[in-house]
Amino acid sequence: DAKTTQPPSMDCAEGRAANLPCNHSTISGNEYVYWYRQIHSQGPQYIIHGLKNNETNEMASLIITEDRKSSTLILPHATLRDTAVYYCIVRVAYLSNYQLIWGAGTKLIIKP
Amino acid sequence: DSGVTQTPKHLITATGQRVTLRCSPRSGDLSVYWYQQSLDQGLQFLIQYYNGEERAKGNILERFSAQQFPDLHSELNLSSLELGDSALYFCASSVELSSSYNEQFFGPGTRLTVL
Repeated sequence: DAKTTQPPSMDCAEGRAANLPCNHSTISGNEYVYWYRQIHSQGPQYIIHGLKNNETNEMASLIITEDRKSSTLILPHATLRDTAVYYCIVRVAYLSNYQLIWGAGTKLIIKP
Repeated sequence: DSGVTQTPKHLITATGQRVTLRCSPRSGDLSVYWYQQSLDQGLQFLIQYYNGEERAKGNILERFSAQQFPDLHSELNLSSLELGDSALYFCASSVELSSSYNEQFFGPGTRLTVL
């Protein structure tokens, strides 16, 4: 079962910051939060991941609350090409390995 | 282009049939993952291989099986197909078995339609 909860859809104006929330209230201390996105029906694309500190890369920023029960993905200047389904994922330990537990995602629509 | 290739791109078959989906991971990646995505659903993890050995199983049906060959390519076999097996099947690969940085690179997928 998914360990994350996301709104099913969101809109954002082109050029504005898109803030995508994710709830992961049952996350364990050593479980990472990952974000991927899927444009149309293409293969998902990695965006960013984090454990407890805020993270930033060339694509986005990830803000994780201090209690780690929720996080927000921020696309600073959304473009039309950012229209996609965004998945917030918890990586859980499985034996000597890890698994990504995928939720249903948020469909983000960037409007001109 | 992620560097992961999948064939075929589309596959149309009938109920009761058997099909094989093929995946070639990125050069140097030892881990291969298979996922199923039904219409408007999230990804369901099926199975993972690492350097030829099965390492993790998800929601994979007994009618489905997979293997990873010495050259690291992988095949997913689906048998006794049912209408509900119609879906996108993705393969992904990553460098290591486990690490703090476990980015998976996804192929373009195979769209399976069972009639």
